Amino acid sequence: NAGVTQTPKFRILKIGQSMTLQCTQDMNHNYMYWYRQDPGMGLKLIYYSVGAGITDKGEVPNGYNVSRSTTEDFPLRLELAAPSQTSVYFCASSPQRNSYEQYFGPGTRLTVT
Amino acid sequence: AQTVTQSQPEMSVQEAETVTLSCTYDTSESDYYLFWYKQPPSRQMILVIRQEAYKQQNATENRFSVNFQKAAKSFSLKISDSQLGDAAMYFCAYRSATEKLVFGKGMKLTVNP
Repeated sequence: NAGVTQTPKFRILKIGQSMTLQCTQDMNHNYMYWYRQDPGMGLKLIYYSVGAGITDKGEVPNGYNVSRSTTEDFPLRLELAAPSQTSVYFCASSPQRNSYEQYFGPGTRLTVT
Repeated sequence: AQTVTQSQPEMSVQEAETVTLSCTYDTSESDYYLFWYKQPPSRQMILVIRQEAYKQQNATENRFSVNFQKAAKSFSLKISDSQLGDAAMYFCAYRSATEKLVFGKGMKLTVNP
């Protein structure tokens, strides 16, 4: 099992550009999450999904979109990138809603200049 | 909304010594879960230990143990026999039965040889 994989590892965007952060898990988990981690801060939830075709907003969804067409994939789309979106992005998954543990990917470091 | 506070941004410990990381939280819920996550320089988020609020017994995982004081809403992590590999950012996190993870700002632990 590869667990949770994220691509790319690093990316630099210009203001106004768009991009998609990819997240894939091979553990057949229903629940998937996107977080952002700003310098010196903990993780904040952007979006989450409880299964294919179902997504919902987290704490900081503005400027982002997600889709969940398969159980394995949960891409995060940034439209019109802004400097405030400079952050490290983590994808995570868990087998069920009340699972003790969320399994995290290695993160994507995004810089918007 | 629930909040998690880690008041010490940095701590250091000598190798083989014991260190305690503090965490407090605010909630009106009675059923919830608490977690300590470790984030080494690789950025990977790793679950260290978890505690169910309904359990009075403090959780223990090898060299890691917690001191859970429910009435005081305190959840500290004790690392015994500190090792160089314990150096990392440590995040305290809270989750109620129906909500998502809420993270503290984290604390940087340095282990001196």
